[in-house]
Amino acid sequence: GDSVTQMEGPVTLSEEAFLTINCTYTATGYPSLFWYVQYPGEGLQLLLKATKADDKGSNKGFEATYRKETTSFHLEKGSVQVSDSAVYFCALSDDNYGQNFVFGPGTRLSVLP
Amino acid sequence: DGGITQSPKYLFRKEGQNVTLSCEQNLNHDAMYWYRQDPGQGLRLIYYSQIVNDFQKGDIAEGYSVSREKKESFPLTVTSAQKNPTAFYLCASSPRWEDTQYFGPGTRLTVL
Repeated sequence: GDSVTQMEGPVTLSEEAFLTINCTYTATGYPSLFWYVQYPGEGLQLLLKATKADDKGSNKGFEATYRKETTSFHLEKGSVQVSDSAVYFCALSDDNYGQNFVFGPGTRLSVLP
Repeated sequence: DGGITQSPKYLFRKEGQNVTLSCEQNLNHDAMYWYRQDPGQGLRLIYYSQIVNDFQKGDIAEGYSVSREKKESFPLTVTSAQKNPTAFYLCASSPRWEDTQYFGPGTRLTVL
């Protein structure tokens, strides 16, 4: 079945550092790809998404590009802030009936001042 | 404001009691979902509903039950048969089955 793999955390960075969180996937169809963010004690918020190969999703300084050739959707941000500390989930939605959403295990990011 | 509401935010129950978690959405979404999240873990799908009056088991449905009598409501009952019910429960909805999912704020259930 479909699956999503993320780099293990926790990831600890200093403020203004460059962020990359790796995400790779396996899918039988042509999935849409998503990044969600979860702040402590809250639900998940959609951060960005891409629906086809070579699409770039972006929001709040975060970017991710849908790379079909490497089956990847890595999350990047040029300069992180303390307020970016959260858990980030990569996910896919496959167009095969019955598969629907698959979430990765999440990567915890801590940004130190 | 459109969105998904879950209530209450914190819930405490004694072991052996059934408890129902509320999830309401005013986004006119067809599909709704329930997930369970344990500390430091990812999300696991409990039940989902693609359309009103229909629902299906997810990966960990044992010990849980749902209903979908109204489009905007998808309550989850945690029964006494659920062996380890203490967790953070997240409800989500999407316009249609394969669309982007939007999440509520979650309910933290603690069974004493």
